[in-house]
Formats: sequence, C-alpha cells, structure tokens
Amino acid sequence: QVQLVESGGGLVQPGGSLRLSCAASGFDFRTSPMYWARQAPGKGPEWLACISEDGYKPFYGDSVKGRFTISRDNSKNTLYLQMNSLGLEDTAIYYCARITRWGRGTLVTVSS
Amino acid sequence: IVLTQTPLSLSVSPGQPASISCKSSQSLLHSDGKTFMYWYVQKAGQSPQLLIYEVSNRFPGVPDRFSGSGSGTDFTLKISRVEAEDVGVYYCMQSINLPPGFGPGTRVDI
Repeated sequence: QVQLVESGGGLVQPGGSLRLSCAASGFDFRTSPMYWARQAPGKGPEWLACISEDGYKPFYGDSVKGRFTISRDNSKNTLYLQMNSLGLEDTAIYYCARITRWGRGTLVTVSS
Repeated sequence: IVLTQTPLSLSVSPGQPASISCKSSQSLLHSDGKTFMYWYVQKAGQSPQLLIYEVSNRFPGVPDRFSGSGSGTDFTLKISRVEAEDVGVYYCMQSINLPPGFGPGTRVDI
C-alpha cells in the first residue's frame, strides 16, 4: 500500500526557515518522480516543485523559485523540502505527492 | 497553461448525471502520443485523490460511474449517477508542462 507521510511542519516567524520530510513506502521510490504541493486556506492546490528519480532535475514553480529546495535520499525513501525566507503567503498545508497519490499533508503556519 | 473549468459550482440530485468541462489554453497532447490531462476530487478534510489519468483512464478503485473524455484542449469529466459520497471539489490538472497546474475547481454538492 502506497504511503506518503509528511513531517516537519509547524509555526515559523516571517523570514524563517523550515525543512519538511516525506517518508515514502509501498512503491519503488527510486524510480518515481516526486512532487511537493501546497494548499493555502480556502484555496485550490498548487504544485511547488518536482524532482526526477535520480534527484538531478529539480523544477520549481515561480512562487517558490530561489527560496525552496527539493531533494531526495533514495537510500532512505525520503523526500525533502527546504523552505527559506518564509512569508505570510506561505501558510498552507504542504503535501508530498506522486501524480497518483498524495500524502495527508503537514501544516506550515508563518506568523509573528 | 491556463485551465478553465465550468461550471464552478454544481448542485445535483442523487442519481442524476453531472458533467464538468475543462478547457486548456494549449494542447495537452505530447509528442509521445499521450495527453496529460488528469481529474482529481478533494473531499472535505482530505488531500486530493486521483480519479482519471491521461484523459479517460480510471485510477484503480474509482467507481465506473466516473468517466473522462476529450482531446487536445477540451476535456470533460462525467458522473453518470451522482451519489452522496461524490460531494467535493473537482479539479482538472495538466502535467505536459512543469510544474503541473490545476484548474480553479468545481464544487459539487447534493
């Protein structure tokens, strides 16, 4: 059974940083492109970043380019999202995802 | 790529059909012959769930009352007989460009 379990969310001050993790199981993580997405309160989902199977081809949406970094450790079946320079607009539920399956998400709240 | 969904909200009686349109500003047909159009539903308090991939393929476990059709830039999701459990927000999504993008969503209620 495919499982994606996010962790690392929480309350952070504007300008701060946070690192999210996603533990994957139930499928061959090493051969799967992976994504991070988010959903702000009352808004639709937004894809943020994606990374190829080998981790050498990250791609970012305009809203996070230059601030967020996606990475993966295939030996640990884990996906990461390093988030820097966080602003109020980054408050959202953050999801680890494949095209076919999303995790339950972790809440990031940016507030002073 | 901009995805436009219509209608943005839909109220349907149980057992009645429902249809959602999604129009793309660019063709979603890839040179490999695949068309990268997907449909998701997000129910209250849950993450989005895949219903249809590559225009018309039902994801495993999705009831056969859901069907997808279309080509190029025009796509449709149909529910043949709406059930109470189908309440939620339906999103079309394209992945021919990176990062993928969603339509604005169609809220379906009973």
